[in-house]
Amino acid sequence: QQPVQSPQAVILREGEDAVINCSSSKALYSVHWYRQKHGEAPVFLMILLKGGEQKGHDKISASFNEKKQQSSLYLTASQLSYSGTYFCGTEVVEGSQGNLIFGKGTKLSVKP
Amino acid sequence: GAGVSQSPRYKVAKRGQDVALRCDPISGHVSLFWYQQALGQGPEFLTYFQNEAQLDKSGLPSDRFFAERPEGSVSTLKIQRTQQEDSAVYLCASSLGTTGHGNNSPLHFGNGTRLTVT
Repeated sequence: QQPVQSPQAVILREGEDAVINCSSSKALYSVHWYRQKHGEAPVFLMILLKGGEQKGHDKISASFNEKKQQSSLYLTASQLSYSGTYFCGTEVVEGSQGNLIFGKGTKLSVKP
Repeated sequence: GAGVSQSPRYKVAKRGQDVALRCDPISGHVSLFWYQQALGQGPEFLTYFQNEAQLDKSGLPSDRFFAERPEGSVSTLKIQRTQQEDSAVYLCASSLGTTGHGNNSPLHFGNGTRLTVT
């Protein structure tokens, strides 16, 4: 029931845009997005709840299509500070106790 | 305010030794999670507590792994008879709310304990 993230890695120039996808084989209650820099703890970005939300802050936004059991993270006008590995965490409906299962991550590298 | 604190930061154990990893969550946080992260991989779920109750331990890889949170605050992850495949970073995370059926509380992660089994 681990969500599948794509792409596995992406390299951008500063100012370019990127989309990271997260797909589940099971119905979802919520999707979390986190960013982890090398050697550091994952840091919370946003949560999307069942209901087909779209959220955003600054130039990072996300959408959640519960029918397709998918979420996408959008990074626009990327900055060097956006570099890191992005993880989606999903809470499945079936038998939910509230635990979050994370994908394998998408490594984003932003070059000057 | 203090974040999630994990100790030790690094632990080297000889194969067969027992280890105990400690997690101090943010004060007042109800939910506590343990994850195992291998190099270059995502955090793999191990177990989850709501206060002192261990609601899900389905991710614990074997009966050598045991977690507790007896007073609903500090948690300890114990690994008995460590094996080389146990080498990983062990992450603890806490969240304010009670989760389930729509987890809308962000997880706050500690910096992890890097366990190396030789």
